[in-house]
Amino acid sequence: ILNVEQSPQSLHVQEGDSTNFTCSFPSSNFYALHWYRWETAKSPEALFVMTLNGDEKKKGRISATLNTKEGYSYLYIKGSQPEDSATYLCAPERDSSYKLIFGSGTRLLVRP
Amino acid sequence: GAGVSQSPSNKVTEKGKDVELRCDPISGHTALYWYRQSLGQGLEFLIYFQGNSAPDKSGLPSDRFSAERTGGSVSTLTIQRTQQEDSAVYLCASSRGAADSTYEQYFGPGTRLTVT
Repeated sequence: ILNVEQSPQSLHVQEGDSTNFTCSFPSSNFYALHWYRWETAKSPEALFVMTLNGDEKKKGRISATLNTKEGYSYLYIKGSQPEDSATYLCAPERDSSYKLIFGSGTRLLVRP
Repeated sequence: GAGVSQSPSNKVTEKGKDVELRCDPISGHTALYWYRQSLGQGLEFLIYFQGNSAPDKSGLPSDRFSAERTGGSVSTLTIQRTQQEDSAVYLCASSRGAADSTYEQYFGPGTRLTVT
């Protein structure tokens, strides 16, 4: 069983704050790491797919880093906005197996 | 273009009845996935279809669950003799993915199933 841990479980920040959260996963047989954002009443939306150790990806104010040797990824949000409020899910993929095992997510609430 | 669509959006059924949930993937996507999210739980993988290959059914929780994908496009998830623990949001996703490659998945809006 693939143990995927995300922390913190939930996070409340003020508009304009920068924040980050963590995804930990077993490093063995690593193939890719996916990040998704899931807003209430909407579908999960892909943010990043990362494959290489040391990878860093950026989309607007959101960026992510990947360490495949130690099995973790960080997601950063710079200058949080209320529209960033969502649950952020990570999902490692092993052995090119296409099967994503999702973590339980970090629930972010950005107060105006 | 059109995204992944699912129907119905909500389904209330009595315990013991069968239900069918439908997923229309993005045109041209060869990979199709079913997940579910039970109350207070994370997203749970159920089944995966890739082209004409045999599906990976390893996530199906019991033999009451089955899924088909006709013509490499539309998929139907069937739950027989529903139980209250089957109540969940059932999500479908599709991707361009093929074996030995990884692509982002595009999710549908989900079907909220309530078994009374």
